[in-house]
Amino acid sequence: GQNIDQPTEMTATEGAIVQINCTYQTSGFNGLFWYQQHAGEAPTFLSYNVLDGLEEKGRFSSFLSRSKGYSYLLLKELQMKDSASYLCAVRDSDYKLSFGAGTTVTVRA
Amino acid sequence: GAVVSQHPSWVICKSGTSVKIECRSLDFQATTMFWYRQFPKQSLMLMATSNEGSKATYEQGVEKDKFLINHASLTLSTLTVTSAHPEDSSFYICSARPPGDSSPLHFGNGTRLTVT
Repeated sequence: GQNIDQPTEMTATEGAIVQINCTYQTSGFNGLFWYQQHAGEAPTFLSYNVLDGLEEKGRFSSFLSRSKGYSYLLLKELQMKDSASYLCAVRDSDYKLSFGAGTTVTVRA
Repeated sequence: GAVVSQHPSWVICKSGTSVKIECRSLDFQATTMFWYRQFPKQSLMLMATSNEGSKATYEQGVEKDKFLINHASLTLSTLTVTSAHPEDSSFYICSARPPGDSSPLHFGNGTRLTVT
């Protein structure tokens, strides 16, 4: 099974940078995903890591260390619209995706 | 690309009735779809894996006779909540993955079920 941990809440100021950490223990690793979810809506895909290192996509970057069972999502130049829940998800060898509890990010002016 | 459509977006039903939720992959074929359930302020919990042409695989603790899953074609999976009770009220979300190892799951917009 999967055990995925991430902080419950984070608050940051508009224009700032926030890093959301995720640690996991898995019985078969086949990729780590980050999703954004606004209240009452379905998750939307942000990033994917399967090899160690940093993946950059515009204002969002994601890092993975498989040996440490660790990932982070970096959000730069925060905007008010970035206020949402960010879900760390681990995929196993059967392509099943298990989600962490999510980190609620609040961006303040 | 990779659009997943889910219908209905919301439904209110009375206790004891059944509700069917449809999940369609609009621009790709999906041999496997996944059904999740989400309670307020909680994360998504995988309920079952829907397999085209064969029986669904249910996660531990999910009643297969209560949550009927049918994956009749490569673009359609349905979840039927049978004999619904108020505790079944939740946000149900389906997802599908386009072909390719690195493809992420794409989610439907979810169905908010309220059982009165």
